[in-house]
Amino acid sequence: SYDLIQSPSVSVSPGQTASITCSGDRLGTKYVSWYRQRPGQSPLLVIFQDTKRPSGIPERFSGSNSGNTATLTISGTQSIDEADYYCQAWDGTTVIFGGGTRLTVL
Amino acid sequence: EVKLVESGGGLVQRGGSLRLSCAASGITSDIYWMSWVRQAPGKGLEWVANIKQDGSEKHYVDSVEGRFTISRDNAKNLLFLQLDSLRAEDTAVYYCAATTVVSPLGFEYWGQGTLVTVSS
Repeated sequence: SYDLIQSPSVSVSPGQTASITCSGDRLGTKYVSWYRQRPGQSPLLVIFQDTKRPSGIPERFSGSNSGNTATLTISGTQSIDEADYYCQAWDGTTVIFGGGTRLTVL
Repeated sequence: EVKLVESGGGLVQRGGSLRLSCAASGITSDIYWMSWVRQAPGKGLEWVANIKQDGSEKHYVDSVEGRFTISRDNAKNLLFLQLDSLRAEDTAVYYCAATTVVSPLGFEYWGQGTLVTVSS
């Protein structure tokens, strides 16, 4: 089975840049999506097809994917960005989620 | 814009059954794949099953294969998940989620979730 590996937690100071990574075998050959989930809320798509932002997602959210690692970058991090972030990819016709990264803004 | 609303969750005994529903409204013609994704208490997201827009393909995570069945009624814009032979480890919030023609591989729309609790 295919696995996506994320660090459990990342901390960042307000206004700084947060980088959240997702690793998988030859992940760069797959399209990666990213989701933000705040406590008690449903997940929200913030990046799809590695680099694209859905309507309404701020420009400070960006993504990249190459080799074995995909990265979600949040520039000018704000307190409202504090949440769990999940990467996701397809392995054939099945869907894989990473284990999630808790972003703390302090 | 698509809105998804789940229903059907509840408390059920181990070995029992439940049927979850997800009602889609809005521009449903934009929907490509629909999935059920679950989240156990305090845990991460786990994909459970998906079905293509026309129902021609269905796929399941290994842990539910043979116990859960995904289906859809496009005429009524409904998605279903039949849960049989339930186990304690199936306890979770179950979300329906949809990819679209704009984002065919990312889940652009999510419901609010419905809680399934399996008691032993």
